[in-house]
Amino acid sequence: GAVVSQHPSWVICKSGTSVKIECRSLDFQATTMFWYRQFPKQSLMLMATSNEGSKATYEQGVEKDKFLINHASLTLSTLTVTSAHPEDSSFYICSARDTTSGESDTQYFGPGTRLTVL
Amino acid sequence: GQNIDQPTEMTATEGAIVQINCTYQTSGFNGLFWYQQHAGEAPTFLSYNVLDGLEEKGRFSSFLSRSKGYSYLLLKELQMKDSASYLCAVVDSNYQLIWGAGTKLIIKP
Repeated sequence: GAVVSQHPSWVICKSGTSVKIECRSLDFQATTMFWYRQFPKQSLMLMATSNEGSKATYEQGVEKDKFLINHASLTLSTLTVTSAHPEDSSFYICSARDTTSGESDTQYFGPGTRLTVL
Repeated sequence: GQNIDQPTEMTATEGAIVQINCTYQTSGFNGLFWYQQHAGEAPTFLSYNVLDGLEEKGRFSSFLSRSKGYSYLLLKELQMKDSASYLCAVVDSNYQLIWGAGTKLIIKP
């Protein structure tokens, strides 16, 4: 089946630093990838939709300049949390849509990246 | 390797009951989530089980057996709005989420 990986799995950083999280579709092409935040035992909050070769579409309330998204290839999207602060500590999950399959709505989720900002 | 299995698609009738199964083989276990996802929307949290047994929440119930590596989501009094994909996800020993491919539930009148 389709596999999505994220790197790193977890990261601890100091307040004010920037952290980059990678999301890769390992065995399929994904023109669209999604970035979510997960709060404990709650629904996934969609942050932005990343389209290969174009600017990401951010959800209302998500700061574009703080959460930089780059989708440079059909298999890689990156989320950079700039000038991270403790309130940015969370579990970040990406998903990728397999554009080659007939199930165009199917999203494959990554294992998540746990960010802790000290 | 780590693996989550759930049926690809299920069909049920409005007003009926449906059970969506999820079996897993993971390195460690720190809980299991069920999410509902309507097309084009973010997954919505339904339940989290970490201990064996049945947890009931309105029309939805979730069951877990850790010894069997098995969970199910039970939906009662089905409504048309329950048509969605249902995702099973296990938290492994590294606190990473291992996702099932999702079960597309189709509700017919």
